[in-house]
Amino acid sequence: SAVISQKPSRDICQRGTSLTIQCQVDSQVTMMFWYRQQPGQSLTLIATANQGSEATYESGFVIDKFPISRPNLTFSTLTVSNMSPEDSSIYLCSVERGDQPQHFGDGTRLSIL
Amino acid sequence: AQTVTQSQPEMSVQEAETVTLSCTYDTSESDYYLFWYKQPPSRQMILVIRQEAYKQQNATENRFSVNFQKAAKSFSLKISDSQLGDAAMYFCAKSGANSKLTFGKGITLSVRP
Repeated sequence: SAVISQKPSRDICQRGTSLTIQCQVDSQVTMMFWYRQQPGQSLTLIATANQGSEATYESGFVIDKFPISRPNLTFSTLTVSNMSPEDSSIYLCSVERGDQPQHFGDGTRLSIL
Repeated sequence: AQTVTQSQPEMSVQEAETVTLSCTYDTSESDYYLFWYKQPPSRQMILVIRQEAYKQQNATENRFSVNFQKAAKSFSLKISDSQLGDAAMYFCAKSGANSKLTFGKGITLSVRP
């Protein structure tokens, strides 16, 4: 399976600031996704990161709040903008290659003060 | 909308015993995948097992096996010879169009020594 490096692993941020999370894969993958896991909750899909085009967002998530880039087949970033305490969550990227199941990065634990 | 339901919030099993985690889902698709993921306190999402809906044979992976009942839309996970390292949060998930994963709420499994 692909080796996924997600950075940072954790961060504590001030209200109103933005943070960019990086997801790097050791080989080309067809699909990349970003999920949010709020405290004590399950995972919710934020968006599908599309290579070379705008991400596809799920209901309840907008590009202004969660801009996503995917410049190539091995890298993607998620930015959490204008953060508030409600954005405190674990953010995870996942990748899919061919018909293999999705594999996840280690996640970024984000706390907003 | 697709839903995945895990009705049991937590379970406990004696070490070396067998435990079954339940999951039901709702879908109008005929072809899809079902998954069980494990999330230990380290927060990493680890794939436990995958089942292809068009395959009647239940998937097995060492001590882990599933009971897939397509007509009943049921997908339970059986863990045999439970070990202390099996203690974690377990999520049932289903992939639909465009490989998007929908997760259940999860179940916390504890293993008693």
